[in-house]
Amino acid sequence: DAGITQSPRHKVTETGTPVTLRCHQTENHRYMYWYRQDPGHGLRLIHYSYGVKDTDKGEVSDGYSVSRSKTEDFLLTLESATSSQTSVYFCASMDRGLSGANVLTFGAGSRLTVL
Amino acid sequence: AQSVTQPDIHITVSEGASLELRCNYSYGATPYLFWYVQSPGQGLQLLLKYFSGDTLVQGIKGFEAEFKRSQSSFNLRKPSVHWSDAAEYFCAVGALYNNNDMRFGAGTRLTVKP
Repeated sequence: DAGITQSPRHKVTETGTPVTLRCHQTENHRYMYWYRQDPGHGLRLIHYSYGVKDTDKGEVSDGYSVSRSKTEDFLLTLESATSSQTSVYFCASMDRGLSGANVLTFGAGSRLTVL
Repeated sequence: AQSVTQPDIHITVSEGASLELRCNYSYGATPYLFWYVQSPGQGLQLLLKYFSGDTLVQGIKGFEAEFKRSQSSFNLRKPSVHWSDAAEYFCAVGALYNNNDMRFGAGTRLTVKP
């Protein structure tokens, strides 16, 4: 299917364990993003990628790392999960239009619970 | 940095009634404004966007929004709400040629009464 696929969709883990969330896109978009969604905060940018092996930090990057070895895949890793990282994580991609403005395509989200 | 405020956390309207969701932004230059909708358990879907030109923009599902620079607002409207419009709505502001500085509001949850 076209679009963005996130896996796993749901995960429960314990404090201190590593977690990796995967995002796979079939849009051939150059830019990819990881956001977290928390009540009262909307979506906040964790990390983004502007090409294969090119990544940078977003607004709330502490405790997270990312990797992008292929255009279609963008991984988000929590090296040692904490309860504050309990959230819903969204992957998004974008291929900037002629206007230069930003239209994001989102995945369905991954709900992570850290006990 | 830009910011977005959605003053209403939760709104309830009756089916068939009109709807207006408020969005105020703060940005030093010409903003690029968006409304997204999120149905339960789903990702965000773009409803409409404003880049330039006509300040009244039409989107999908019968929604429209009006950009008012003097009020720093980009309110979303629909003349007659359907039960399927129940969802959470997010306003966002972005910058031209800066793909990585888009800011989202906290969202407004819409409940539709039969």
